[in-house]
Amino acid sequence: DTEVTQTPKHLVMGMTNKKSLKCEQHMGHRAMYWYKQKAKKPPELMFVYSYEKLSINESVPSRFSPECPNSSLLNLHLHALQPEDSALYLCASSQETSGRTTQYFGPGTRLTVL
Amino acid sequence: GENVEQHPSTLSVQEGDSAVIKCTYSDSASNYFPWYKQELGKGPQLIIDIRSNVGEKKDQRIAVTLNKTAKHFSLHITETQPEDSAVYFCAASILGDMRFGAGTRLTVKP
Repeated sequence: DTEVTQTPKHLVMGMTNKKSLKCEQHMGHRAMYWYKQKAKKPPELMFVYSYEKLSINESVPSRFSPECPNSSLLNLHLHALQPEDSALYLCASSQETSGRTTQYFGPGTRLTVL
Repeated sequence: GENVEQHPSTLSVQEGDSAVIKCTYSDSASNYFPWYKQELGKGPQLIIDIRSNVGEKKDQRIAVTLNKTAKHFSLHITETQPEDSAVYFCAASILGDMRFGAGTRLTVKP
């Protein structure tokens, strides 16, 4: 089973709202990732967690706040977003970040900021 | 940082023909090269990958080749079918830091 689940599938929020995206995997993977994908563009790496510790932050604005409560869960907290943050947010996981690095993606959360 | 270039951006083939997509990367430290297929409204799905100690890998109708010296790798799909129509992304990765090419929209005409 190589399933990564993400909730919600769709999210519409105003610029003053606070919301969270959730990601879950039960493959025993110890690395989890957040990507942002704009229409007709490739995914762009935002954050990498390795063994529940943030290991890569690609200079993402502080209005995006990641959290890894345990090895199976990854959250992305959203606050004071801008309309240009509207995109597909993808979560992925891999066994680790070195060696067995095959990343498996979830279906994404389609975010619209009004 | 790593920069991945992918060509062509669009590719249209007749059913049964072969399709080839090419990528180049800039960072010689990259050691893992996956290919993903993304259908409309879905997340990327891994179709094949190759590591830097291997030159070629094949899985049924799909093959990938890697030339480390030239820093390029290619995806080959033989006997294409309409269900192969999708956007294909190549990627290069170092320690989980994965960078994608711009994508190729493949259309297989029946």
